[in-house]
Amino acid sequence: QLQLQESGPGLVKPSETLSLTCTVSGGSISSSSYYWGWIRQPPGRGLEWIGNIYYSGNTYYNPSLKSRVTISVDTSKNHFSLKLSSVTAADTAVYYCARRCSSTTCYLNAFDIWGRGTMVTVSS
Amino acid sequence: QTVVTQEPSFSVSPGGTVTLTCGLSSGSVSTNNYPTWYQQTPGQAPRTLIYSTNTRSSGVPGRFSGSILGNKAALTITGAQADDESDYYCVLYMGSGIVVFGGGTKLTVV
Repeated sequence: QLQLQESGPGLVKPSETLSLTCTVSGGSISSSSYYWGWIRQPPGRGLEWIGNIYYSGNTYYNPSLKSRVTISVDTSKNHFSLKLSSVTAADTAVYYCARRCSSTTCYLNAFDIWGRGTMVTVSS
Repeated sequence: QTVVTQEPSFSVSPGGTVTLTCGLSSGSVSTNNYPTWYQQTPGQAPRTLIYSTNTRSSGVPGRFSGSILGNKAALTITGAQADDESDYYCVLYMGSGIVVFGGGTKLTVV
């Protein structure tokens, strides 16, 4: 059974770069049927899509975050990563990684498997 | 910038029927937006209920259904139960790999 697990610092200082990794277990990240993505949720607020990456390295970003976001993939380690630069308190959130279907053979365009989420606080 | 609109809150009686909607700040929602609905309870990751407008995910009870109503996507719960009390999010595909989450609807079953 495929599982996703986020990891990374829980506290980041303002103006620094937030870095998280999502490790995929129980399956391969090199599947042509899926994107791999990041979603965040500030405390008490709604979900926000950050971006997706395909195993080939093609990326798709939320236009409102695009200037600060980099998502990368390492197929040899079966994981993908998020970097968000110049963070402020507004970036404090639970960050989820998730698998998103890109094929009619699965839940097309749906995030069907999620990690448990990791809380990241931006504070000095 | 595209905004996906949802009712902030809704209330339904146990056994009742409720329809939550998902619209666009500009334009109409269609099947080409592949409307997807998620259910989230506090402290948990979201769970996929409906994808591609009206297809239930595996294990989702039949009381949940999705559709297009007028110019919006809709999630209908028929025969609401106490454990349906959750936050519900819709997501629309906008093309070029981009998806947008709605602000979510907090459903109360009372």
